[in-house]
Amino acid sequence: EDQVTQSPEALRLQEGESSSLNCSYTVSGLRGLFWYRQDPGKGPEFLFTLYSAGEEKEKERLKATLTKKESFLHITAPKPEDSATYLCAVRLGGGSEKLVFGKGTKLTVNP
Amino acid sequence: DTAVSQTPKYLVTQMGNDKSIKCEQNLGHDTMYWYKQDSKKFLKIMFSYNNKELIINETVPNRFSPKSPDKAHLNLHINSLELGDSAVYFCASSQGAAPEAFFGQGTRLTVV
Repeated sequence: EDQVTQSPEALRLQEGESSSLNCSYTVSGLRGLFWYRQDPGKGPEFLFTLYSAGEEKEKERLKATLTKKESFLHITAPKPEDSATYLCAVRLGGGSEKLVFGKGTKLTVNP
Repeated sequence: DTAVSQTPKYLVTQMGNDKSIKCEQNLGHDTMYWYKQDSKKFLKIMFSYNNKELIINETVPNRFSPKSPDKAHLNLHINSLELGDSAVYFCASSQGAAPEAFFGQGTRLTVV
């Protein structure tokens, strides 16, 4: 069965303390891995798409990387405004085009 | 301008009632989705429409019926509401299979 697992479920960091979030997947026919950010009471906001192993994308303090089995979202010198739930999703192949989401990592950055 | 808007934002209703949630997007996208986010924050796709045609229909009870009157709208009608239907429902849109899907603010449905 296609599965997306994110770890840790929750992460507390001090401002400036860099860390990484993990997304591991077991899917057939992967057609892209996506990272979203979700703030409380809001819909997910698109961050990155990765298509092939070795690919990297960066945006401000965030950098996403992809291997054949997992993706990492690296957060460098985080600020309190980076606090949110980060969701990973994979798009399946076979013509379905649907996104399968992980349960997310809730990140809290303390000042 | 709101890209993907849903109404209502909150909906509290009794078991057995029928209710609808409306979604509109002004991005010119041709694909729209409904997702359900349960109490554990797990986001799961329910339906997807492309140019008013149903292309994804996950294992969802028949009580849920999406309706797409045009490319810019995808409404969700729910019959005979049950306690387990309580969740946050998100509408989203994208251009075809483009990776960037835009989500609405969500509709928090509470069935009492």
